[in-house]
Amino acid sequence: NAGVTQTPKFQVLKTGQSMTLQCAQDMNHNSMYWYRQDPGMGLRLIYYSASEGTTDKGEVPNGYNVSRLNKREFSLRLESAAPSQTSVYFCASSEPTLGEQFFGPGTRLTVL
Amino acid sequence: DAKTTQPPSMDCAEGRAANLPCNHSTISGNEYVYWYRQIHSQGPQYIIHGLKNNETNEMASLIITEDRKSSTLILPHATLRDTAVYYCIVRPRGYNQGGKLIFGQGTELSVKP
Repeated sequence: NAGVTQTPKFQVLKTGQSMTLQCAQDMNHNSMYWYRQDPGMGLRLIYYSASEGTTDKGEVPNGYNVSRLNKREFSLRLESAAPSQTSVYFCASSEPTLGEQFFGPGTRLTVL
Repeated sequence: DAKTTQPPSMDCAEGRAANLPCNHSTISGNEYVYWYRQIHSQGPQYIIHGLKNNETNEMASLIITEDRKSSTLILPHATLRDTAVYYCIVRPRGYNQGGKLIFGQGTELSVKP
């Protein structure tokens, strides 16, 4: 089992460019999450999907869109990247009745 | 969800027990206490969780006070590899809001030789 995988691992964008961060899990979990972590800070929830077909805003959703493509995949899109979106992005999945979330290795994004 | 308070940093000598405190005075009856840690630049890793009884697994022990307003994560024999940021989170178990976690600032634990 690969667990939670994220692509790409690193990305550099120019202001105004768009991109999609991909996340997939092979644990058959119902819920998936996107977090961002700025230097020296804790993780902040951007969006989550409690189950296939649903998505909800987290703490910091502005500037992002998400798609729960199927039970395995949950993507995060930046339509017009801004320097304030420079961060490390983590995807996670869980079975909510168990509580434990499993995290991917992260995508390090720099917006110039 | 209840808010948690943790010291920003702590030191511990290698081989000694590391005791990380967490205050969650507004915890409600259906909320669990979860602990995660994040080793530098990696994704957070689940450690342990509990409701009101003390819990132990291969990584750590969790001691929750009788009034449930605070808890302590214990790493019995800390090693250099335990150097990380430790997050204490309280949330209901189950499908409430899809099981989302709200991370605070955590405690940066430095284990020193």
